[in-house]
Amino acid sequence: AQSVTQPDIHITVSEGASLELRCNYSYGATPYLFWYVQSPGQGLQLLLKYFSGDTLVQGIKGFEAEFKRSQSSFNLRKPSVHWSDAAEYFCAVGAGNYGQNFVFGPGTRLSVLP
Amino acid sequence: GAGVSQSPSNKVTEKGKDVELRCDPISGHTALYWYRQSLGQGLEFLIYFQGNSAPDKSGLPSDRFSAERTGGSVSTLTIQRTQQEDSAVYLCASSLEGLAGGRYEQYFGPGTRLTVT
Repeated sequence: AQSVTQPDIHITVSEGASLELRCNYSYGATPYLFWYVQSPGQGLQLLLKYFSGDTLVQGIKGFEAEFKRSQSSFNLRKPSVHWSDAAEYFCAVGAGNYGQNFVFGPGTRLSVLP
Repeated sequence: GAGVSQSPSNKVTEKGKDVELRCDPISGHTALYWYRQSLGQGLEFLIYFQGNSAPDKSGLPSDRFSAERTGGSVSTLTIQRTQQEDSAVYLCASSLEGLAGGRYEQYFGPGTRLTVT
């Protein structure tokens, strides 16, 4: 079974600074990878996804993520953080023939300083 | 609307009562998922439906929890004899499902906040 780790529970950055949120997964084959964002009191919104092909994927709100097979990582990046980016970020892995093989990481809470 | 909807948005119940939570998935989505998110925690998988059947019930925390899906559409999560530890936000998601299974992203509803007093 696959698993997902997000090593950073909480990250604080200043507005305008760059951001990288880490995600590592464990799976025997190439997984399908996702990043979701959950703003306070809101549902989860898909930021971006990776299935195959170009390992650098672009998402909404200026986010991008890079799949690195050798490191089993799918880190999320943004060159300049906005105050509205403060939220909880979840990495997820989908695999297998059935939808139950869709595992979320524990989440990283992002705080943005003015 | 075109998204996943859940009702009620908030539910306060007394310990020992039964509650029903409803999820309306996106039309045409064959897969439906229930998750639980406790305060400050990540998502805990509860159950997955493919059509009306539930091939994976492994996440249900106890036999007080049950779920059904009818007509390949609406799903109901029932919690019997609620306990205070059941207080959480219950999230529903739906997705397309093909031969490749998990390649399709899940679309989430706004959740039902359950408070057991």
